Amino acid sequence: KAGVTQTPRYLIKTRGQQVTLSCSPISGHRSVSWYQQTPGQGLQFLFEYFSETQRNKGNFPGRFSGRQFSNSRSEMNVSTLELGDSALYLCASSLQQGNTEAFFGQGTRLTVV
Amino acid sequence: KNEVEQSPQNLTAQEGEFITINCSYSVGISALHWLQQHPGGGIVSLFMLSSGKKKHGRLIATINIQEKHSSLHITASHPRDSAVYICAVITSGSRLTFGEGTQLTVNP
Repeated sequence: KAGVTQTPRYLIKTRGQQVTLSCSPISGHRSVSWYQQTPGQGLQFLFEYFSETQRNKGNFPGRFSGRQFSNSRSEMNVSTLELGDSALYLCASSLQQGNTEAFFGQGTRLTVV
Repeated sequence: KNEVEQSPQNLTAQEGEFITINCSYSVGISALHWLQQHPGGGIVSLFMLSSGKKKHGRLIATINIQEKHSSLHITASHPRDSAVYICAVITSGSRLTFGEGTQLTVNP
């Protein structure tokens, strides 16, 4: 059974550009959550999708958005990139919402220059 | 004050030692994860628990819901256990709130 796949693994972008990151959950998993990890702030929740609907949103500006497709694959988009957006972006998939185990992807390392 | 507090932040041990990492939380939770992160970023869920105790190999996790406290124990530690260990609580939906992590180094 394939794990959670995130693409791309590494990305370098320039300030002001926009970026789209992709997450393919484990087959059958319907919940996808996104997290940002930085040395200063640690791991922080971005948003959660279940059945193509955003169920939860963290405290991030509107430049951060996401969506989930009918096959449960999810994308997140960051517009007007800032240097502070440089981080490891992780997604996690779960079978359902709530008390189910989370499985993490390897992450996408985004560097904004 | 963070909603999830871990201690210690850094821990150095000799191979074979018994290790304990603690996690306290101040919010209502439905479950708690112990996660392991190796250099390079990949995160693996070691345990998810909402009560009592779980054991997997040399790893043991306990949780006391009344005291809002969980511990992760590693018996007979090994250099390959060197990693960052992160406590994360489920507060709503599948949303995880994380502790700051414990950097564990096990020397041979």
